Amino acid sequence: QSVLTQPPSASGTPGQRITISCSGSRSNIGTNTVSWYQQLSGTAPKLLINRNTQRPAGVPARFSGSKSGTSASLAISGLQSEDEADYYCAAWDDSLNGPYVFGTGTTVTVL
Amino acid sequence: EVQLVQSGPEVKKPGESLNISCQGSGSIFTNYWVGWVRQMPGKGLEWMGMIYPDDSDTRYSPSFRGRVTISADRSIDTLYLQWSSLQASDTAIYFCARHADYLNWYFDLWGRGTLVTVSS
Repeated sequence: QSVLTQPPSASGTPGQRITISCSGSRSNIGTNTVSWYQQLSGTAPKLLINRNTQRPAGVPARFSGSKSGTSASLAISGLQSEDEADYYCAAWDDSLNGPYVFGTGTTVTVL
Repeated sequence: EVQLVQSGPEVKKPGESLNISCQGSGSIFTNYWVGWVRQMPGKGLEWMGMIYPDDSDTRYSPSFRGRVTISADRSIDTLYLQWSSLQASDTAIYFCARHADYLNWYFDLWGRGTLVTVSS
């Protein structure tokens, strides 16, 4: 049902760099900014990236966001065991799907 | 500390009504839109709708319009999510969250969630 598509899973070993993609359309990512959320098991989501690339205070610099056209990406550099979580992208959607939509979610596993 | 405090877990039967709440500490709703997000068991996040407590302007996702009612009591900084007739498929965790601004719309503050279980 979600209009933002993410890969179901991603994995890496400690220290590696992984990326998570988020594919949308002109009415959402193509027109509006993207945010990313991290949800650790059994907890509420936490804002990781806003306005495509901005990290809120307290978010480690190893998390970075980017956007190009109708797609966005979250990169985790120097992967750590505590990064094992679900990650969601989100954006405002100007179409009838909106107003606000989340991605399908990606489970990150640290091997 | 700025936070959103949600009401406790609920166990209900199909057909029953329910009202869950989310109270903000201080005036954290002033000039902000505040929304509800559903997470069904083992599933992803779904944006349900939002309200501007200062004037009760409300917007809903097409998937949830007519199925739930979002309201707010600005005098006590409390947000509500209401069902008139629950279904088993409403079993989920419901999070309240504050939209940080109305240009970028990201959620900067989240409640801990309220687990709603609907079972006969």
